[in-house]
Amino acid sequence: AQSVTQLGSHVSVSEGALVLLRCNYSSSVPPYLFWYVQYPNQGLQLLLKYTSAATLVKGINGFEAEFKKSETSFHLTKPSAHMSDAAEYFCAVYNQGGKLIFGQGTELSVKP
Amino acid sequence: EAQVTQNPRYLITVTGKKLTVTCSQNMNHEYMSWYRQDPGLGLRQIYYSMNVEVTDKGDVPEGYKVSRKEKRNFPLILESPSPNQTSLYFCASSQISGGETQYFGPGTRLLVL
Repeated sequence: AQSVTQLGSHVSVSEGALVLLRCNYSSSVPPYLFWYVQYPNQGLQLLLKYTSAATLVKGINGFEAEFKKSETSFHLTKPSAHMSDAAEYFCAVYNQGGKLIFGQGTELSVKP
Repeated sequence: EAQVTQNPRYLITVTGKKLTVTCSQNMNHEYMSWYRQDPGLGLRQIYYSMNVEVTDKGDVPEGYKVSRKEKRNFPLILESPSPNQTSLYFCASSQISGGETQYFGPGTRLLVL
């Protein structure tokens, strides 16, 4: 069965530092992978989506993610963190039954 | 503007008092779904609907009901709420085909006393 694991429930970085949020998935078929962001008191907003067109996917707000089949990973990165990036981030994958499976979420804090 | 709307955004109620959370989308999506979000557990699917009059259970359906009488609306009903249903609820919608992006509503924060 498909599943998603996000390593680290809380990540803290300094403003201007690299952001790396980790996501590993298990899937028996080529996956559709997503990263969503949830700002405080808001719904989930799509950051980016992998659909097998390219292994490096660029999203909104300077984020990108690289699909690595050999590592079953889809880690999210941003070269330089801004205060406005503080939010909760969710990785998700569709399973064979068409259900979207979410990871547990990673809360990103950005220190001035 | 394409969007998913939910009402109410915040709700405090007491155990056993029936309530309904409404969800509406204006994107003509076939697929709609309800999730609950709890700390450390991510989002878990409660119910989903592939089209009008077609609904099915998700991972945590106990204590909830849904209906899909119109394509745009997908209300979530708690017939007899209990404190363990205190949570943050999201409605989402998408087209039906492989790997479609789901669009989320702003959330409903429910407290059951």
